[in-house]
Parts: sequence; structure tokens; C-alpha cells
Amino acid sequence: KNQVEQSPQSLIILEGKNCTLQCNYTVSPFSNLRWYKQDTGRGPVSLTIMTFSENTKSNGRYTATLDADTKQSSLHITASQLSDSASYICVVSPLTGGGNKLTFGTGTQLKVEL
Amino acid sequence: NAGVTQTPKFQVLKTGQSMTLQCAQDMNHNSMYWYRQDPGMGLRLIYYSASEGTTDKGEVPNGYNVSRLNKREFSLRLESAAPSQTSVYFCASSGSQGLTEAFFGQGTRLTVV
Repeated sequence: KNQVEQSPQSLIILEGKNCTLQCNYTVSPFSNLRWYKQDTGRGPVSLTIMTFSENTKSNGRYTATLDADTKQSSLHITASQLSDSASYICVVSPLTGGGNKLTFGTGTQLKVEL
Repeated sequence: NAGVTQTPKFQVLKTGQSMTLQCAQDMNHNSMYWYRQDPGMGLRLIYYSASEGTTDKGEVPNGYNVSRLNKREFSLRLESAAPSQTSVYFCASSGSQGLTEAFFGQGTRLTVV
């Protein structure tokens, strides 16, 4: 079964620090990989979408990288803010099938403290 | 911009009761989805609709029915609620051409007692 595994499960950092979240997947063949941010009590919101041919994609202080050969992705958050406290979800789409074939990771719960 | 709107936001049901979760999107998207989110698990697809008039089962469809009322609205019905259906439910929509982003509603927190 296609899987998406994220690490760490949770993370606490101080405001202003950087952090990197990891995503490993086994979905193959692979079309695209997405990172979502989910605030407590809200629905996920898209941060980045990368196709298999892209290595990096940025959205403000968020930078996602992708290594399709090793099936790994990372989300780097620069100069963290309290508002970055949320769950970050990695989502992978296979080459065949549409939006109904997305595989969601369980997320990394990030807490940014003063 | 409203995006994807779900109602209600919270609901408590007794075992055996029925209810319908409502979802509407104003982005003219063809595709709509219902997911459930449980602790320690990724979002799982319950049902989806690729276009108006079509619906298909996802990964966990048992105990649920859906209706794609029109292009805007996609409802999820629990005919006889069970405690195992206690979860947070999300509706989402996306375009159907190319690499499209999925937009999610705010979620419905359902507790079945």
C-alpha cells in the first residue's frame, strides 16, 4: 500500500529559529507532492505543490524540497513565528488517478514558543 | 471569498441517529470530496465526486452516503450513526484540469455517543 511517513511527529522550537520537517513516501509512480498547513480547528491550507521534476518550491518563509530518486521531501521554515504553530501535512499524488488518489501523511505538529 | 463552506461545525449524535453534513463551494470546481480525520491517521477519503451527477467510493465509504446536488453542493449522510464514526469531517473541492490545488472547508467535529 502506498504510504507517506512524516517525522518528527511533533516539534517545539523557539520563535525566530528555523526548522525542517521530513516526509518519506512510497507512492510510485509519482506525480506531485504537496505540503499543507493545518491550524487547530481548521481545514488544511496548501503551502506548496511540486511535480516530480521540481527540486524546490518556496512560499514566503516556507521552502519545500523534493528528491524523487530517494522519495524524500522536506519543508524548511525560516525565522519561525508564533503563527507557524500548526500541523504540517505531506500529501502525495500518484501518476495515475486524480484528486481522489491523494495519500496523506499523519502530519508533524509544530509548536513555536516565545 | 467564501471558498468551501461546511455546516454544521459541531454535532453530537446518539447511536442510531441520522444526519446530513452540508458542503458548498463557490469556486466553480468540478471535483468535490469528503474526508475524515482521526487522531494518528492521515485524512482518509470517504466519497468523491468528479463532476456534477457522479459519485464514487473512496477508501472508507461504509456507513455513509453522498449526494452531489449540483455543481456547488456535495452532502454527506450518516443513516445510522455509530461511535466509530466519531471524527472530524472535511469537505474539499478542486479543479479537474492539470495540477490543481485542493481547497478544504473548516471541518465538522462529530461525536457519536
